[in-house]
Amino acid sequence: GEDVEQSLFLSVREGDSSVINCTYTDSSSTYLYWYKQEPGAGLQLLTYIFSNMDMKQDQRLTVLLNKKDKHLSLRIADTQTGDSAIYFCAESVNTDKLIFGTGTRLQVFP
Amino acid sequence: GAVVSQHPSWVICKSGTSVKIECRSLDFQATTMFWYRQFPKQSLMLMATSNEGSKATYEQGVEKDKFLINHASLTLSTLTVTSAHPEDSSFYICSARGLGVYEQFFGPGTRLTVL
Repeated sequence: GEDVEQSLFLSVREGDSSVINCTYTDSSSTYLYWYKQEPGAGLQLLTYIFSNMDMKQDQRLTVLLNKKDKHLSLRIADTQTGDSAIYFCAESVNTDKLIFGTGTRLQVFP
Repeated sequence: GAVVSQHPSWVICKSGTSVKIECRSLDFQATTMFWYRQFPKQSLMLMATSNEGSKATYEQGVEKDKFLINHASLTLSTLTVTSAHPEDSSFYICSARGLGVYEQFFGPGTRLTVL
């Protein structure tokens, strides 16, 4: 079946790194995504990784994929208060629909 | 980047009435549009997938007669919640994808409150 799990909450100090973790069950995933959702708003695509890659870096964001363990992580370097939001990982199944994780609420404090 | 809009951004209606939500791709042709539902502090659940000019494909457990989806053009899809009830209150988000493209672009969402 399709199931994507995330820890519910993460709190970090401004300037530190944040690591948000995600586990998925469908080994046939093509792409894995990280989205950001601010209160009352839609989703903003942050980054994505193709399933045959191990790592992708994009400015302050680093995505690590362990396909064997079906584990995906998002590292945000130098976390800022503006990074406070809910972060969703998602996997694309059969190149069509997205299965979203449960979401991790990131809170950044000064 | 590609822009998707939704209208209205929020709506309050009485129980038993129908509500229509629009999803538009503003600067690209959306061959496929998706409708999601998000309950407070929960994840997005896919309701249905619609391809332009075809009938929508609904996910298991979603009543197609209650949530009517129309995707009549390459830039517009509508979701009509018929005979709305308080349990239909939720945040509805659409996304759109162009031909041959993996990425879905999300609208800002519509908050529906049924009294």
